[in-house]
Amino acid sequence: SQTIHQWPATLVQPVGSPLSLECTVEGTSNPNLYWYRQAAGRGLQLLFYSVGIGQISSEVPQNLSASRPQDRQFILSSKKLLLSDSGFYLCAWSVGGGFYNEQFFGPGTRLTVL
Amino acid sequence: GQQVMQIPQYQHVQEGEDFTTYCNSSTTLSNIQWYKQRPGGHPVFLIQLVKSGEVKKQKRLTFQFGEAKKNSSLHITATQTTDVGTYFCAPSSGTYKYIFGTGTRLKVLA
Repeated sequence: SQTIHQWPATLVQPVGSPLSLECTVEGTSNPNLYWYRQAAGRGLQLLFYSVGIGQISSEVPQNLSASRPQDRQFILSSKKLLLSDSGFYLCAWSVGGGFYNEQFFGPGTRLTVL
Repeated sequence: GQQVMQIPQYQHVQEGEDFTTYCNSSTTLSNIQWYKQRPGGHPVFLIQLVKSGEVKKQKRLTFQFGEAKKNSSLHITATQTTDVGTYFCAPSSGTYKYIFGTGTRLKVLA
């Protein structure tokens, strides 16, 4: 069976510090991978998605970046965090090779920037 | 770009009452997915609609895709406390990305 892992679960970082959030998927190959951000009490904002190793599509221009160094690994990074980067970061995967596939979400990382 | 409106934003109902949330897109959709997020949790997939006018049922939940494939609805009959959470629509225009709606937060009063 497939599982998706995200860590850390919670994170408190000062403004201007770097960020690295990691997401890994087990039990599947060549998944589509997604990073979303959810502000408190709000909807999900798509940040990045990837359909293959090294292929990253950015949806929102900001101080965040994403990388996919391995097939089942997706990393979200920032060189300098802003207060507005606080939120609930969710990684998701779907079966690769098609559009009509459900997304499976990880447990998320709650980031607070102070 | 594609815009997705979901209404209402909040809904409080008495247990046993019905509930409906609507999702409207500014563009014609290829398909639409619905997710439920419990408080403090992550979104969980409920259903996917692909065909124009499609209606799907899951026990007390009824999902409908508009004839023009620009809107969708989720109806819950006789709500229960376990229905509490935020319901999101996630339409796609035929690409790998899904734009999530703003969500409808449902509270059920026992």
